[in-house]
Amino acid sequence: NAGVMQNPRHLVRRRGQEARLRCSPMKGHSHVYWYRQLPEEGLKFMVYLQKENIIDESGMPKERFSAEFPKEGPSILRIQQVVRGDSAAYFCASSLNSGRAAPGHEQYFGPGTRLTVT
Amino acid sequence: DAKTTQPNSMESNEEEPVHLPCNHSTISGTDYIHWYRQLPSQGPEYVIHGLTSNVNNRMASLAIAEDRKSSTLILHRATLRDAAVYYCILRGGNYGGSQGNLIFGKGTKLSVKP
Repeated sequence: NAGVMQNPRHLVRRRGQEARLRCSPMKGHSHVYWYRQLPEEGLKFMVYLQKENIIDESGMPKERFSAEFPKEGPSILRIQQVVRGDSAAYFCASSLNSGRAAPGHEQYFGPGTRLTVT
Repeated sequence: DAKTTQPNSMESNEEEPVHLPCNHSTISGTDYIHWYRQLPSQGPEYVIHGLTSNVNNRMASLAIAEDRKSSTLILHRATLRDAAVYYCILRGGNYGGSQGNLIFGKGTKLSVKP
């Protein structure tokens, strides 16, 4: 059973370009979460999605960032017109359920995409 | 803000037990205590969770104080592979976002010496 897949693992973009980060959740998981880890900082929640729905985007920057989780295919985190401050590790996680302690609540994380903006 | 307090760092010797403390004095009755860890250059991984009773699984044990204001993650025999940042996270009640996103603090960086 493959784990959470993220690609690319490393992404370099120039300022002003677009970055697209992909996440394939574990088989059977319909809950996807994106987190960002800035250098020397902790992980910060960005957005929580279920198939075709954004459930909670309270951690997303108001501009330039968007996320989707279509009916078919991976979840995509899109960053438009990247700036140097967007350089970070972006982690995707998936879970079977979303309850705080329900069976299947555990979040399984991918290896992350390390974005560098030059 | 994370509602837990952990030491910034701890050291352990290989094959010795490790006790990682976490204070959560404002925990509510419906909050679960979760632990995740992040190995270097990897994504976090779930370790264990509990509500009131002590819990054991193949990775670790979780000891929860009777008043639930603190808890301790116990690694029974530390290995070099256990060197990681350990996060104590409350879920549910007033914490954890709308439906389950994790709120990470700074965690405890555990170093394991051979």
